[in-house]
Amino acid sequence: EDKVVQSPLSLVVHEGDTVTLNCSYEVTNFRSLLWYKQEKKAPTFLFMLTSSGIEKKSGRLSSILDKKELFSILNITATQTGDSAVYLCAVEKGGNKLVFGAGTILRVKS
Amino acid sequence: SQTIHQWPATLVQPVGSPLSLECTVEGTSNPNLYWYRQAAGRGLQLLFYSVGIGQISSEVPQNLSASRPQDRQFILSSKKLLLSDSGFYLCAWSVSPRAGNTIYFGEGSWLTVV
Repeated sequence: EDKVVQSPLSLVVHEGDTVTLNCSYEVTNFRSLLWYKQEKKAPTFLFMLTSSGIEKKSGRLSSILDKKELFSILNITATQTGDSAVYLCAVEKGGNKLVFGAGTILRVKS
Repeated sequence: SQTIHQWPATLVQPVGSPLSLECTVEGTSNPNLYWYRQAAGRGLQLLFYSVGIGQISSEVPQNLSASRPQDRQFILSSKKLLLSDSGFYLCAWSVSPRAGNTIYFGEGSWLTVV
């Protein structure tokens, strides 16, 4: 059975801290891994990763994929209160179907 | 640019009543369309996906059904709601059918069955 496991389930940090969110997966017919940020409503797209070892970066966020060990990490440096959200990891299978993890709830305290 | 609209945003329905959630996509043609459900504290679960008009695939057995009467319209329905149908429902689309396409989400619909 396909599964995507995120850790930790939740964490609380202070502004300025650096956080690392983890995502491991066991999915047949892997195509890509995606990270989303979900605040109150719809998840918004952050990154899509298809190749191992190539870091994707957007401002203070970065992510990398390891297809041999079947995991990905999402790093957020110099966290801000606006980073508080649920971060979802999803793996795309054939047919554009996404298998989601349960998410990591991040709370950044000022 | 492409946009996705989903309504209603919130819904409170009694057990046994029908349901209809609608979703439309603008600015693209022949999209893949999806319905996801997110129960409290859990990830998103794929309910249905469609690669074309009238083509619906169901991912999990359930009390819900989906229809695609037009290319850019996707409807989630139920004849009789159960308490367990409560949750956050998200419509989504992607460019079909190439692998590696990002999936974009609508704003979601909160359904509470009472």
